[in-house]
Amino acid sequence: GENVEQHPSTLSVQEGDSAVIKCTYSDSASNYFPWYKQELGKGPQLIIDIRSNVGEKKDQRIAVTLNKTAKHFSLHITETQPEDSAVYFCAAKGITFGNEKLTFGTGTRLTIIP
Amino acid sequence: DSGVTQTPKHLITATGQRVTLRCSPRSGDLSVYWYQQSLDQGLQFLIHYYNGEERAKGNILERFSAQQFPDLHSELNLSSLELGDSALYFCASSVTFRAYNEQFFGPGTRLTVL
Repeated sequence: GENVEQHPSTLSVQEGDSAVIKCTYSDSASNYFPWYKQELGKGPQLIIDIRSNVGEKKDQRIAVTLNKTAKHFSLHITETQPEDSAVYFCAAKGITFGNEKLTFGTGTRLTIIP
Repeated sequence: DSGVTQTPKHLITATGQRVTLRCSPRSGDLSVYWYQQSLDQGLQFLIHYYNGEERAKGNILERFSAQQFPDLHSELNLSSLELGDSALYFCASSVTFRAYNEQFFGPGTRLTVL
């Protein structure tokens, strides 16, 4: 089955600096890659996603890049703010019958230092 | 607010007991997914139901079972509980199971087994 690795597990950056989180996946058939943000005591919330036929997607301060050949994708947050502090999860979704599920990375705890 | 509701929010019980967790998907969503989140395991996929039918199973223990009812709400039943079953249990819903359908997560049920 699919395996998703995520790095780093913890990340601290100064407010205003950029943060980058990287993930790799194993199943070349995966075609959808969402990123979720989980704040303390809450469920994960989708912040951005990318489809396998797109190399990059941007939404204000957040961007995601996908390299299908290398099977890795990354989350970029620019001009970080204190409210960006949270745990971030990457995920990959399969397309084969009965396997249309999300496989999550192990999460990155991002701390923004004021 | 994702539109997905889960009850109860917290559950404390003893080893050997049985509990039922309930999930109501967003209006119009036919797919319900259950995930377990432990401190050291990240988000683990348990099971997926689509329009009342089981569609995929993850690493769900035989002591655990689920169902989706005609009104599309779902229940996750956990029996013969062990200390290691203590975790956050999330359900998520999506319109269908198609590749790019966003999964919306509920706030979770925190289960503590004493």
